Amino acid sequence: GDSVTQMEGPVTLSEEAFLTINCTYTATGYPSLFWYVQYPGEGLQLLLKATKADDKGSNKGFEATYRKETTSFHLEKGSVQVSDSAVYFCALRKVYNQGGKLIFGQGTELSVKP
Amino acid sequence: DTEVTQTPKHLVMGMTNKKSLKCEQHMGHRAMYWYKQKAKKPPELMFVYSYEKLSINESVPSRFSPECPNSSLLNLHLHALQPEDSALYLCASSQVGTSGSSYEQYFGPGTRLTVT
Repeated sequence: GDSVTQMEGPVTLSEEAFLTINCTYTATGYPSLFWYVQYPGEGLQLLLKATKADDKGSNKGFEATYRKETTSFHLEKGSVQVSDSAVYFCALRKVYNQGGKLIFGQGTELSVKP
Repeated sequence: DTEVTQTPKHLVMGMTNKKSLKCEQHMGHRAMYWYKQKAKKPPELMFVYSYEKLSINESVPSRFSPECPNSSLLNLHLHALQPEDSALYLCASSQVGTSGSSYEQYFGPGTRLTVT
């Protein structure tokens, strides 16, 4: 079945370090891919998305490129801040006739130290 | 406005209580979702409503009863819950395309439920 695999955390970085969180997927067809972020005590926020191969999603300095040949959607940011500390979820969307279903990876906790 | 609101923010209930969680969105979305999230885990889908009709039930126990009274509101009625049902309950909404494909989901802040 369809699935998403993320690198395990926690990931601890110093402020201004480069961030990569790996995400690979297994899916039939052409899923859409998403990164969601969850700050402590909050719900999930959509960070970025890509709907087809070679699309690059970007938001708030974060980027991810939909790579069909490697079935990957790695999240990157050039210079992290303490405020980026959160849990990051990679997800793919399965499409049903009556509504989409998100399949999430296990989440990667990021901690950024000053 | 991409806001989904949920009430209450926190809820503590005994195993014999009946309570309800509420979710509201005003984005014109016609698909709404309930998820359950345990600590340090990804959300798990419970129910999907599309055009106010239940379209997906992920084999959720009957002590959870969803209701979609109109296109903006989604309720989750709780009865005779178990301590293991303690979790963060998230509501989400999305558009539904004319072909049936859906768009990105927007999540509410969640209700933190504790069953004693």
